[in-house]
Amino acid sequence: GEDVEQSLFLSVREGDSSVINCTYTDSSSTYLYWYKQEPGAGLQLLTYIFSNMDMKQDQRLTVLLNKKDKHLSLRIADTQTGDSAIYFCAERHYNQGGKLIFGQGTELSVKP
Amino acid sequence: EAEVAQSPRYKITEKSQAVAFWCDPISGHATLYWYRQILGQGPELLVQFQDESVVDDSQLPKDRFSAERLKGVDSTLKIQPAELGDSAMYLCASSLPGSGANVLTFGAGSRLTVL
Repeated sequence: GEDVEQSLFLSVREGDSSVINCTYTDSSSTYLYWYKQEPGAGLQLLTYIFSNMDMKQDQRLTVLLNKKDKHLSLRIADTQTGDSAIYFCAERHYNQGGKLIFGQGTELSVKP
Repeated sequence: EAEVAQSPRYKITEKSQAVAFWCDPISGHATLYWYRQILGQGPELLVQFQDESVVDDSQLPKDRFSAERLKGVDSTLKIQPAELGDSAMYLCASSLPGSGANVLTFGAGSRLTVL
């Protein structure tokens, strides 16, 4: 199957941590990605993780991968109002020519 | 910083009309993708090119959609005739093939409204 699922909404207070979750179904996924989309704009790559890793940290972003449960999460530390956007999880399949399969996106709302 | 260029940014058309979108990928990126993003959903792949060749067009509605990348650089996506359900954001992306993580860089998109 090619399903990538995310919860639709998340609301946090400025300064708190945000955790956005994603589940995927294809165990042959090689890389998993997090993209950010601001209103009316294209998708901006935030970070990605190779499937043989279980954690990757990049400044305020921490990605956790549980390959056994096919679960990916993105933690944003010290969330700011500028982080308000839609966040997409995506997987790349080993045998599908590099195309990415996206989830439906999680809308993050950061309240001051 | 290199960008993927798309035009037009916005297009309003009536159903049964023809529309076309243009994409210029990052220089040197041999792989080009057209994705469609319906409001409230994630992007879905319509067509993928490797140079001028189509690699995957399994989700492209070929009765009304066509895509070409004649010289392996820029690309055009056409819809004829447009239907109400085609209202969406059309996103172009490009990547370097064989680059491990295959990071896709997206353009700003072309938003289509069909009346």
